Amino acid sequence: DAKTTQPPSMDCAEGRAANLPCNHSTISGNEYVYWYRQIHSQGPQYIIHGLKNNETNEMASLIITEDRKSSTLILPHATLRDTAVYYCIVRRRSNDYKLSFGAGTTVTVRA
Amino acid sequence: GAVVSQHPSWVICKSGTSVKIECRSLDFQATTMFWYRQFPKQSLMLMATSNEGSKATYEQGVEKDKFLINHASLTLSTLTVTSAHPEDSSFYICSATWTGASYEQYFGPGTRLTVT
Repeated sequence: DAKTTQPPSMDCAEGRAANLPCNHSTISGNEYVYWYRQIHSQGPQYIIHGLKNNETNEMASLIITEDRKSSTLILPHATLRDTAVYYCIVRRRSNDYKLSFGAGTTVTVRA
Repeated sequence: GAVVSQHPSWVICKSGTSVKIECRSLDFQATTMFWYRQFPKQSLMLMATSNEGSKATYEQGVEKDKFLINHASLTLSTLTVTSAHPEDSSFYICSATWTGASYEQYFGPGTRLTVT
């Protein structure tokens, strides 16, 4: 699975959109981009995933560049409860379902 | 939907004893479950993958005789840390998925193990 690069930390203001970047320049055509987050001392939570089209659900939007070498997770209206470590993971869809977690981005939402 | 529970949420045990952690899928049948370990300020490290009715597959460097995994039913997997030592103190997290899911995993809330 392709490697991802994320900034180690970022702050954002409550009520504003939070844009979390992820670089995956070695992604291959059959690899998906997944985002999870982990609030302190809890298990990770699935947020969203995509292949090449932009995706949106009730939690977030995922914007993938046309060349698929990077993506951005957008939390449209950040709240204090969105403070967490956000993990961008690239993986093939395969029967082993494995996920490999990197260091992620620690997002702190400030009032 | 897709709720995973873990029990206990935290446990303290003495060095040399064994401790069992349960992972349950509450509203779906989990064909595959995963066990992770997370040390403070570090990311999750996959320990093993278990499929219902099969032996677990351990990641490189994880001692299968020390971390016993049983996936006896489609809703329950257990991790037993045998002869625990202080260096086994960690946050243990399970996740579950099912064949035909959109390849996302659903995680339990984690179990904090402290070995004294």
